[in-house]
Amino acid sequence: AQSVTQLDSQVPVFEEAPVELRCNYSSSVSVYLFWYVQYPNQGLQLLLKYLSGSTLVKGINGFEAEFNKSQTSFHLRKPSVHISDTAEYFCAVSGTNKLIFGTGTLLAVQP
Amino acid sequence: DVKVTQSSRYLVKRTGEKVFLECVQDMDHENMFWYRQDPGLGLRLIYFSYDVKMKEKGDIPEGYSVSREKKERFSLILESASTNQTSMYLCASSLGRRDSGQPQHFGDGTRLSIL
Repeated sequence: AQSVTQLDSQVPVFEEAPVELRCNYSSSVSVYLFWYVQYPNQGLQLLLKYLSGSTLVKGINGFEAEFNKSQTSFHLRKPSVHISDTAEYFCAVSGTNKLIFGTGTLLAVQP
Repeated sequence: DVKVTQSSRYLVKRTGEKVFLECVQDMDHENMFWYRQDPGLGLRLIYFSYDVKMKEKGDIPEGYSVSREKKERFSLILESASTNQTSMYLCASSLGRRDSGQPQHFGDGTRLSIL
């Protein structure tokens, strides 16, 4: 069975600093991986997805993620964050007919 | 762009009431999903449907039922609401039957309080 682990429940960072949000998955089959963002009082919005091909995936708002099969990881990165990036970020792995979500990481950007 | 619309942003109901949460998508998606979101627990799948009149249980179906009479509409029903069902409820849809590579598109959520 597939599962997703987001070890960091909250990541504080100063504006314009780089950030990495960690995601590890377990799966016995080929995987599709996703990162979603949730701004306050809103639903989830797709940031980026990995289906196949290049292991470095670029998404919206300057985010990118790297698929590492040997480490079963799909970490999300941004070289310079803005106040507006403050939100909750969810990593997800595909299951049969559904997605399995991690518990989320709150990115708190401070001025 | 895909639009997933949930009928209410905020809802307050009383214990024992029958509660209906409605969700409509406008992109002819085959798959639709209901999740609940609680702090520290992430998103948990309640029910999903990959076709009209079809439904499958997710991870936490107890106390809930669903209805999908039309392709664009997926309803979540709390048969007899209880306080432990106070939560944020999110509806999502995705294109294609049984296609795991398709992303899900989410509505803005319904924050349900059971008093």
